[in-house]
Amino acid sequence: QQQVKQSPQSLIVQKGGIPIINCAYENTAFDYFPWYQQFPGKGPALLIAIRPDVSEKKEGRFTISFNKSAKQFSLHIMDSQPGDSATYFCAASLGGGTYKYIFGTGTRLKVLA
Amino acid sequence: DTGVSQDPRHKITKRGQNVTFRCDPISEHNRLYWYRQTLGQGPEFLTYFQNEAQLEKSRLLSDRFSAERPKGSFSTLEIQRTEQGDSAMYLCASSTGTSGNTIYFGEGSWLTVV
Repeated sequence: QQQVKQSPQSLIVQKGGIPIINCAYENTAFDYFPWYQQFPGKGPALLIAIRPDVSEKKEGRFTISFNKSAKQFSLHIMDSQPGDSATYFCAASLGGGTYKYIFGTGTRLKVLA
Repeated sequence: DTGVSQDPRHKITKRGQNVTFRCDPISEHNRLYWYRQTLGQGPEFLTYFQNEAQLEKSRLLSDRFSAERPKGSFSTLEIQRTEQGDSAMYLCASSTGTSGNTIYFGEGSWLTVV
């Protein structure tokens, strides 16, 4: 119940394409869903986050779509660039004071020039 | 630089030795977290402090691991009698608790046990 399942494991797209990364969860007590971007040898950096009372959120080229009934959420990267090549992690937080995150297993994205 | 700072960034140690990592959180962040990340996996929660109090510990944190946060500022994570399975990146993160659940990660401390 505490898991967050992420797919695909890896993804290759052409420059300008729209990669989509999906995550699913079971625990309906999760109340905050961030996405992190991580480059090799670096710590994860927050990209964008959403709460379950919102179905979509956009920040620049990054969009989160959230389907509360299906317990799924996804990250879309518009007009992807080679500089977006990184590993992306979804996460879910239980809130309630701890705010610890349960992370997905990551998606390694490569954007071809 | 006002981000989360971790030291050392890389540590190679022999099996059985003790190692200690330090984390300096973002100024005025009262919450501090330690996570562990192995290659090809997402970060896994280890422990969490609110100010100087350690409020939660994961089952991943065996007896050989100890974390402290004296005075509610910087934190240390010590691993005693290191094993090869301890090789990972140890990530520190911090938050205010009022920033909408957002936690900010440091660059991590890589541990290699040989």
